[in-house]
Amino acid sequence: AQSVAQPEDQVKVAEGNPLTVKCTYSVSGNPYLFWYVQYPNRGLQFLLKYITGDNLVKGSYGFEAEFNKSQTSFHLKKPSALVSDSALYFCAVRDGPIYNQGGKLIFGQGTELSVKP
Amino acid sequence: SQTIHQWPATLVQPVGSPLSLECTVEGTSNPNLYWYRQAAGRGLQLLFYSVGIGQISSEVPQNLSASRPQDRQFILSSKKLLLSDSGFYLCAWRKAGGRYEQYFGPGTRLTVT
Repeated sequence: AQSVAQPEDQVKVAEGNPLTVKCTYSVSGNPYLFWYVQYPNRGLQFLLKYITGDNLVKGSYGFEAEFNKSQTSFHLKKPSALVSDSALYFCAVRDGPIYNQGGKLIFGQGTELSVKP
Repeated sequence: SQTIHQWPATLVQPVGSPLSLECTVEGTSNPNLYWYRQAAGRGLQLLFYSVGIGQISSEVPQNLSASRPQDRQFILSSKKLLLSDSGFYLCAWRKAGGRYEQYFGPGTRLTVT
């Protein structure tokens, strides 16, 4: 069965420092991986995805993620954190094979990022 | 461009009352549609999804139901709300096919009193 894990409930970084939010996955077959961000009382916003190709994926707001097949990880990164990056971050993996037309996603439990000035 | 709407934004309902939450998508056709609930805390629970008009798949047995009367309209309903139905309800859409991400609406905050 497909699964995704975010090992850290909370990550704290200082503004201007690099940030990393961790995600590991377990899938059968090729993984389709996604990152989302959620601000308080708002819906989730799509940041980026890995389907195939380069292991370093660039997304919105200066975020990028590194796909590592040997470590089954898909960590979210940003070179220089902003206070406005403070939010809840979700990693997700596609549930099931590509012919599953439902396109369901399995979400991690979320990681709260806090960026201090 | 595509837009997803949800209403109402907030709702306070007494236990035992009915519920109807609506979600509509603009700018696309034949989307996959999803209802999630996010309880206090953070985890997302998929409640229902739909790949077409009248086609509803339920992920979790409960006192909620969903309907898709039109291609871009998805409704979440209950005949009698429970306290445990409180939460943040999110609708999402996805372009049908293999590789696409889901896009989420702004959500409805439901408080059952």
